[in-house]
Amino acid sequence: DFLMTQSPDSLAVSLGERATINCKSSQSALYSSNNKNYLAWYQQKPGQPPKLLISWASTRESGVPDRFSGSGSGTDFTLTISSLQAEDVAVYYCQQYYNTPPTFGQGTKVEIK
Amino acid sequence: QVQLVESGGGLVKPGGSLRLSCAASGFIFSDYYMTWIRQAPGKGLEWVSYMSGTRSFVDYADSVKGRFTIYRDNAKNSLYLQMNSLRVEDTAVYYCARGSAHELGAFDIWGQGTMVTVSS
Repeated sequence: DFLMTQSPDSLAVSLGERATINCKSSQSALYSSNNKNYLAWYQQKPGQPPKLLISWASTRESGVPDRFSGSGSGTDFTLTISSLQAEDVAVYYCQQYYNTPPTFGQGTKVEIK
Repeated sequence: QVQLVESGGGLVKPGGSLRLSCAASGFIFSDYYMTWIRQAPGKGLEWVSYMSGTRSFVDYADSVKGRFTIYRDNAKNSLYLQMNSLRVEDTAVYYCARGSAHELGAFDIWGQGTMVTVSS
């Protein structure tokens, strides 16, 4: 099974500052035949279901603010919030869908400093 | 409006059974992989099971294999999870989520979840 490890487990960032979350996969999530990374990022606010932010490692879903960006390839991925807003307080999860079982990282809690 | 609505959760004793339902609307249900994902209180996300639109592809997490059964009724736009031999560690919010049309994909639509509590 893919093991997804996120770092840090939590971080506190000042409003307007950059937040960076890392996700490392135990195996490559890059499918060579189509050159796509099977990696997604989700945001979960308290009391709500997760929301898909980014798929294919870097493709933002419709309606997701452009301050959210995803990068990386293979086994190392990053979610960046370029200018943290109050409404971005949440837990963020990475997930691979390259192979079954689909697996999630343990989550990173983002708070306001 | 694309929507998923789960139901069927509740309190059950260890060893008991429950059937969860997920009603889909706003999209061609039969085209999509559908999945169940759970979240124990205060914990992260754990994938439970998925089924392809044609019902050809099915898989389960090792933690539920042999106890849970996923199925779908495309005519009713509904996904189900039959949970037998429930354990205390199955206590969680259960979400249904939509995958993609031709492969499992990322999960782009989620329901609000239904709580399952297994306790004596």
